[in-house]
Amino acid sequence: QVQLVQSGAEVRKPGASVKLSCKASGYIFNNYYMHWVRQAPGQGLEWMAVINPSGRSSTYAQKFQLRVTTTRDTSTSTVFMELSSLRSDDTAIYYCARGYTSGFYGTFFDYWGQGTLVTVSS
Amino acid sequence: QSVLTQPPSASGTPGQRVTLSCSGSNSNIGSNTVNWFQQLPGTAPKLLIYSDYRRPSGVPDRFSGSKSGTSASLAISGLLSEDESDYYCATWDDSLNGWVFGGGTKLTVL
Repeated sequence: QVQLVQSGAEVRKPGASVKLSCKASGYIFNNYYMHWVRQAPGQGLEWMAVINPSGRSSTYAQKFQLRVTTTRDTSTSTVFMELSSLRSDDTAIYYCARGYTSGFYGTFFDYWGQGTLVTVSS
Repeated sequence: QSVLTQPPSASGTPGQRVTLSCSGSNSNIGSNTVNWFQQLPGTAPKLLIYSDYRRPSGVPDRFSGSKSGTSASLAISGLLSEDESDYYCATWDDSLNGWVFGGGTKLTVL
């Protein structure tokens, strides 16, 4: 069965960086995009980034363009998301979500990781 | 302020039918398919509806989606207490070149 297992909770000081991981299993890793979505405490969902199946191309939300980098390691079926210059309002749960894309059905996020809580505090 | 507009709250009684709305624009809902997610407290979102109205395997047919122009709707019939949850709509935005979510609707089953 498809599983996305994310790394554990992180605590960082303002200005620092954090690198999160999302390990996939149960499907052909190289066939799917992977998205990152975050959720601040008590708030809604916010899309951040997507990395394509080969890992050669990523698209970032305008808000995060200068601070986010996504990579993937096909040898371990793992996707990474690094967010730099952290601020207190980056405190959130960060989710990875598999993107299913087809010309007929469009794109949708069919499986989600359990989420990683990142706390930014001095 | 979310690009897609959802009412922050909705409510219904067991057995009732409720409809949740999601309003956008030509660059998002008007041009691309809409997905709906259910998020129970303390859990990751779960795909409920994709491609405007299609249900993934395992999602009860009490849940249905529709779209007209720049608005989409999620209908839940035969409301159950377990449907009490947050619901989010999402789609691609051609102008922003990224995915956008609604602010979410918190559904309360009275």
